[in-house]
Amino acid sequence: EAGVTQFPSHSVIEKGQTVTLRCDPISGHDNLYWYRRVMGKEIKFLLHFVKESKQDESGMPNNRFLAERTGGTYSTLKVQPAELEDSGVYFCASSQLVAGGISTNEKLFFGSGTQLSVL
Amino acid sequence: AQSVTQPDIHITVSEGASLELRCNYSYGATPYLFWYVQSPGQGLQLLLKYFSGDTLVQGIKGFEAEFKRSQSSFNLRKPSVHWSDAAEYFCAVVPYGQNFVFGPGTRLSVLP
Repeated sequence: EAGVTQFPSHSVIEKGQTVTLRCDPISGHDNLYWYRRVMGKEIKFLLHFVKESKQDESGMPNNRFLAERTGGTYSTLKVQPAELEDSGVYFCASSQLVAGGISTNEKLFFGSGTQLSVL
Repeated sequence: AQSVTQPDIHITVSEGASLELRCNYSYGATPYLFWYVQSPGQGLQLLLKYFSGDTLVQGIKGFEAEFKRSQSSFNLRKPSVHWSDAAEYFCAVVPYGQNFVFGPGTRLSVLP
């Protein structure tokens, strides 16, 4: 079974440019999460999709970030325009949709992340 | 403020030595507790988790963790470290009804 895959693994862009990160969750996983780790700090929650709907986007830092999950399969996270402080590692995670809260988090699978460097 | 702390940013141990990575949380109620590891170029891999019951939890790769309610701690231990254990380790909590909250991570280096 394929795991959570993220593309690209690394991205180096200049300030002001646009970057789109992609996440392919494990097949059948309705829950999809984006996290990021900036400047060696803690990993922080960005948002949560259930299928194609945004369940919780309270962690999105500002309107330069746009996440989509058309069709409820893969997801993209676009940063436009990118700023220096956006540099970091962006993680995607997925899990099956199970009734009850913690079950979804118990079986959360993470991708290897996208290392974004904004120069 | 509610948070997860990992006091040690970087730890270096010799291969074969014992290891303890510290994790403390500050939440009113006991959250669900996790330890993840990230090896270079890899994703976050779950080592172990605590929901309830026995406070000593066994995980993969020979790791264990002990939940101590009185100290709000969930420290990770391994009796004998292998060179392949060199990685970054993250403690995480899931407060009831909320998403994951991660600690800042502890980087482990292993000397031959």
